[in-house]
Amino acid sequence: EAEVAQSPRYKITEKSQAVAFWCDPISGHATLYWYRQILGQGPELLVQFQDESVVDDSQLPKDRFSAERLKGVDSTLKIQPAELGDSAMYLCASSFGQGVGLAGYNEQFFGPGTRLTVL
Amino acid sequence: QKEVEQDPGPLSVPEGAIVSLNCTYSNSAFQYFMWYRQYSRKGPELLMYTYSSGNKEDGRFTAQVDKSSKYISLFIRDSQPSDSATYLCAKQRSNYQLIWGAGTKLIIKP
Repeated sequence: EAEVAQSPRYKITEKSQAVAFWCDPISGHATLYWYRQILGQGPELLVQFQDESVVDDSQLPKDRFSAERLKGVDSTLKIQPAELGDSAMYLCASSFGQGVGLAGYNEQFFGPGTRLTVL
Repeated sequence: QKEVEQDPGPLSVPEGAIVSLNCTYSNSAFQYFMWYRQYSRKGPELLMYTYSSGNKEDGRFTAQVDKSSKYISLFIRDSQPSDSATYLCAKQRSNYQLIWGAGTKLIIKP
């Protein structure tokens, strides 16, 4: 069964260090999402890609966060420098998502997440 | 006011009980509503989705949307300890983005 892969599963870092998370979506899924989930809350969308293009990064703290999906397949999310408040679960999801404005249901498939702890 | 409101719980019930999980939403311009289940330290997985208003049943699970009252419900019959998880409701925007509730932590006691 196809799955969304993420690595690492767990990351402990000190504040001011750089961290990077990797995501490999389900083959054929054009849309890729990065979410941040703080304990006890629902996922918060950070960035959405359609193929290699950013569709929405309005909630991405661009002074320290960056995301790329160079070949429209796998993706990397980076934080530089990490802050204490960045401790959270970082989730990657993918979907077929053929574009904005089309009617219909679009299931998002989630990876296992990367749990980040900033000390 | 958040677009999707959900009581974070925890909700603790004995095994075999009927569980009722609920969300409210504030914007009527949505057609698809979802329930995701999230086990500890795992990513969310889709349980069910419903279109517009009405009921949808899948085994022990029933999802219900009442658009007149802007209420989303998930019922679990014959609850099992393996149902212990966090249940997240969400609604889908026209651009496919999901608006999430906070999630309700459910505990089924053997």
